[in-house]
Amino acid sequence: NAGVTQTPKFQVLKTGQSMTLQCAQDMNHEYMSWYRQDPGMGLRLIHYSVGAGITDQGEVPNGYNVSRSTTEDFPLRLLSAAPSQTSVYFCASSNSALGLGRYEQYFGPGTRLTVT
Amino acid sequence: TQLLEQSPQFLSIQEGENLTVYCNSSSVFSSLQWYRQEPGEGPVLLVTVVTGGEVKKLKRLTFQFGDARKDSSLHITAAQPGDTGLYLCAGAGANSKLTFGKGITLSVRP
Repeated sequence: NAGVTQTPKFQVLKTGQSMTLQCAQDMNHEYMSWYRQDPGMGLRLIHYSVGAGITDQGEVPNGYNVSRSTTEDFPLRLLSAAPSQTSVYFCASSNSALGLGRYEQYFGPGTRLTVT
Repeated sequence: TQLLEQSPQFLSIQEGENLTVYCNSSSVFSSLQWYRQEPGEGPVLLVTVVTGGEVKKLKRLTFQFGDARKDSSLHITAAQPGDTGLYLCAGAGANSKLTFGKGITLSVRP
């Protein structure tokens, strides 16, 4: 049981490049989400999904796209990378979107992205 | 937007000392969670509190949810170097979305 996996662990992009951060979970969780963590800013929600085929925006969605074609996978796409997107990105999954705060969110190990 | 303020932002103490840190808001939360994050890893859930006034213990860690469900505290007894890390609180509002605080960086010196 691998839990939540993220690839790559580290990535350097040039401004304007695009890329996809991968996230997969093997716990059959309905709810998946993407956060970014910046120094002094805590965790901020980018996008989330309550099930396959359903996604919605979080607090800071601009510059990012997501899709959820399967229960297991929830990739995050950077359309045209900018230095402001330099951050650590975490994917998380949870057993249920209903009463989210009552269920544990399982986080992946993170992807450290630098945009130059 | 529901905001969670965590204090203090940084704390450095000697092994064996006791400490209390706080998570405060002007908003009411249906539940509140505490996570611990170690360098290079994702956050890991420590506890979820749901009822106003609820107290939960996890070994040397004691968590309390305020009576009005707007705030929470974490007390650590006899801190150990293994307690070092970033402590995040997260509150669930009416829409069930989680709002995270900015975190408290704790360093416990041997």
